[in-house]
Amino acid sequence: GDSVTQMEGPVTLSEEAFLTINCTYTATGYPSLFWYVQYPGEGLQLLLKATKADDKGSNKGFEATYRKETTSFHLEKGSVQVSDSAVYFCALSDHGGYQKVTFGTGTKLQVIP
Amino acid sequence: DADVTQTPRNRITKTGKRIMLECSQTKGHDRMYWYRQDPGLGLRLIYYSFDVKDINKGEISDGYSVSRQAQAKFSLSLESAIPNQTALYFCATSVGGPRSGANVLTFGAGSRLTVL
Repeated sequence: GDSVTQMEGPVTLSEEAFLTINCTYTATGYPSLFWYVQYPGEGLQLLLKATKADDKGSNKGFEATYRKETTSFHLEKGSVQVSDSAVYFCALSDHGGYQKVTFGTGTKLQVIP
Repeated sequence: DADVTQTPRNRITKTGKRIMLECSQTKGHDRMYWYRQDPGLGLRLIYYSFDVKDINKGEISDGYSVSRQAQAKFSLSLESAIPNQTALYFCATSVGGPRSGANVLTFGAGSRLTVL
């Protein structure tokens, strides 16, 4: 079945550092790919998405590019802020009737001043 | 008001008790889901519903049941709670369907359940 693998956390960075959180996937066909973010005490919310190969999703300074050849969707941000501290989940959904969503295990990011 | 509201937000109960977690939404979405979040395991799907008459089991439905009382309401029940059901539970909704494009989920804030 489909699966999503993302890097183990926690990741601790200083403010203004460059962020990369790796995500790779296994799926039949060409799924849609997502990054969700969970701030402390809150539910997950969509950060960005990409629906086909070579698409780049972006939001709030975060970017991720759908790489079919490497089955990857790595999350990047050029300069993190303390307010970016959260747990980040990579996910995919297939294009069947159910459009099942499969989540990675999450990566906790802590940004220190 | 939040688009997806879960109640209660926190609950402590004892082994063997019946517990109901409720979810209501104002998004007008047809699809509703219950997930469970455990540290290191990500989110796992318990049940999902595509409309009021459609209920489906997810990956980990044993020990749980659901009721879709209306398009906007989807409740999760633990008939006889046990300690390994201690977790953070999320309700989510989506438009879904072939015309929706990607299946984007909208989540509630979560219900933290502790079973002693």
